[in-house]
Amino acid sequence: GESVGLHLPTLSVQEGDNSIINCAYSNSASDYFIWYKQESGKGPQFIIDIRSNMDKRQGQRVTVLLNKTVKHLSLQIAATQPGDSAVYFCAENIAGGSYIPTFGRGTSLIVHP
Amino acid sequence: NAGVTQTPKFQVLKTGQSMTLQCAQDMNHNSMYWYRQDPGMGLRLIYYSASEGTTDKGEVPNGYNVSRLNKREFSLRLESAAPSQTSVYFCASTAKQNTEAFFGQGTRLTVV
Repeated sequence: GESVGLHLPTLSVQEGDNSIINCAYSNSASDYFIWYKQESGKGPQFIIDIRSNMDKRQGQRVTVLLNKTVKHLSLQIAATQPGDSAVYFCAENIAGGSYIPTFGRGTSLIVHP
Repeated sequence: NAGVTQTPKFQVLKTGQSMTLQCAQDMNHNSMYWYRQDPGMGLRLIYYSASEGTTDKGEVPNGYNVSRLNKREFSLRLESAAPSQTSVYFCASTAKQNTEAFFGQGTRLTVV
């Protein structure tokens, strides 16, 4: 099975709503987590990251929460806009030897005007 | 800065043909990666190069070979293409441990 997975493959929201995208990970050796946004026809782009010594990190309209107890990661997008429509991936860097970014399946976020 | 550049952007191959996907980064990053992305799937690691002069297998290496030509360039070779290798291929690089990956725009490969 995947070490990084997502609960919801598709999330539909109305413009202006807050969006929450969830991610579960199973590797307790992971110590760095990143959210990426992938727009159609493009490569993934960095949104925000969090290290395992933190449980919350805020950016511009985005917040990442890390719960190491249950191995859960979430991305919160405030006041979602049509331009936020994309596929969102969480990735973990698995420690030990070489740090290798490992990706989950992704969640498609659809924002309706 | 160009970041990570992949060539070609699109390619159609016949079964059994060979080709090399090129990737170059201009950020002086140490580590480079090749992923494939299939519909409804995440990115699966094919091969990676933790540093210049080293390469290692990822999750799905069968049917592929790689070369870390120098610090900038990391190529992916399909010796005998198969329809199962139809996919979008992404190259990525990271500066050091626990930093974000920078991705190229992808190569869309179709094997018929």
